[in-house]
Amino acid sequence: AQKVTQAQTEISVVEKEDVTLDCVYETRDTTYYLFWYKQPPSGELVFLIRRNSFDEQNEISGRYSWNFQKSTSSFNFTITASQVVDSAVYFCALRSVGTDKLIFGTGTRLQVFP
Amino acid sequence: DADVTQTPRNRITKTGKRIMLECSQTKGHDRMYWYRQDPGLGLRLIYYSFDVKDINKGEISDGYSVSRQAQAKFSLSLESAIPNQTALYFCATSDPQLGQHFGDGTRLSIL
Repeated sequence: AQKVTQAQTEISVVEKEDVTLDCVYETRDTTYYLFWYKQPPSGELVFLIRRNSFDEQNEISGRYSWNFQKSTSSFNFTITASQVVDSAVYFCALRSVGTDKLIFGTGTRLQVFP
Repeated sequence: DADVTQTPRNRITKTGKRIMLECSQTKGHDRMYWYRQDPGLGLRLIYYSFDVKDINKGEISDGYSVSRQAQAKFSLSLESAIPNQTALYFCATSDPQLGQHFGDGTRLSIL
């Protein structure tokens, strides 16, 4: 079975703090993709990153960074120097090669206070 | 223009009514999906289609039906709406290389 767990339901931080959102996944597939999406209060889903299961290099994009570790089946997302505009619900998702179906975690609501 | 367009964006209706949510895409993708989002549950797959002649049930298809009228169009129907189908609905297309592209969602409220 495939599953994505985001154990943190809600996180609150003060602006400029660093924050890490956890994502743990389960799959028997040897090839798969992992994603992070952002859902701001307006409701749309904004694609942030896609990671191939064969590529364990960490990635940094501005204030965002992702730590992919196959040994612990985790794909964690860190926001450095958080800003109020980062307030949103963040979803981690898993996709198997072939079906393209996305299995989503339940999301983590991040609130960044000024 | 948006690549994946959902109509309507918001809808309030009554129990027992038939409702259709429409999705159209300009990306030329064969694969299309319908998800629903409920608070605390994330997004769950309702139906998906790999081409015009291929329709598949997702994990929560009961109470829903779909129609793939053309490569670019994928409609979701609630034949007799019930209050627990109140949710945010997303349509998506899939690029095998890059992942899924989502519409902006349809907020559906059933009274």
